[in-house]
Amino acid sequence: EDQVTQSPEALRLQEGESSSLNCSYTVSGLRGLFWYRQDPGKGPEFLFTLYSAGEEKEKERLKATLTKKESFLHITAPKPEDSATYLCAVQRNSGNTPLVFGKGTRLSVIA
Amino acid sequence: DTAVSQTPKYLVTQMGNDKSIKCEQNLGHDTMYWYKQDSKKFLKIMFSYNNKELIINETVPNRFSPKSPDKAHLNLHINSLELGDSAVYFCASSQRTGLWGNSPLHFGNGTRLTVT
Repeated sequence: EDQVTQSPEALRLQEGESSSLNCSYTVSGLRGLFWYRQDPGKGPEFLFTLYSAGEEKEKERLKATLTKKESFLHITAPKPEDSATYLCAVQRNSGNTPLVFGKGTRLSVIA
Repeated sequence: DTAVSQTPKYLVTQMGNDKSIKCEQNLGHDTMYWYKQDSKKFLKIMFSYNNKELIINETVPNRFSPKSPDKAHLNLHINSLELGDSAVYFCASSQRTGLWGNSPLHFGNGTRLTVT
């Protein structure tokens, strides 16, 4: 069974304090690993897709990396507006398989 | 301007009632989904439709019945609501990009269902 485990569950950072969120996954044949951001009362908003180990994607203060067992979302010099829950999801490389999501990391950035 | 819109945003109802949630997307996508986010925040797939055809049907009680009148709409009807159905239900859409590939999911803002 495909599984996604995210850590930590919650992270509190001072503005400007860089850190990383972890997403460990187990899937038999990875089609893609996805990162989403979810604000309270909103639906998840797509950030990145990573397809193969070694791949990296960047967007503003966020950088996502992928290995064969985990992905990291690095946040450089975060700002209060980066506060949100960050969700990781994987999709197996087999037919019409849905995304399997982790529980997310709730990030709070304090000014 | 909203890409994926769901109505209603909040739904409070009593056990045993029947209710519907509507979803519409204006992105021109051909695949639509229903996801359930429970109190532990896990997002789990319920159904997926591609061009009005059901392609994913996870283990969901048959009290839940999706209906897709056209590829821009996917509604969710729930019969005989139970306390355990309380959750946030998200509609999403994506575009099939190949035989098995899809573009990233675009989500609506959810419908918070409370069953009392």
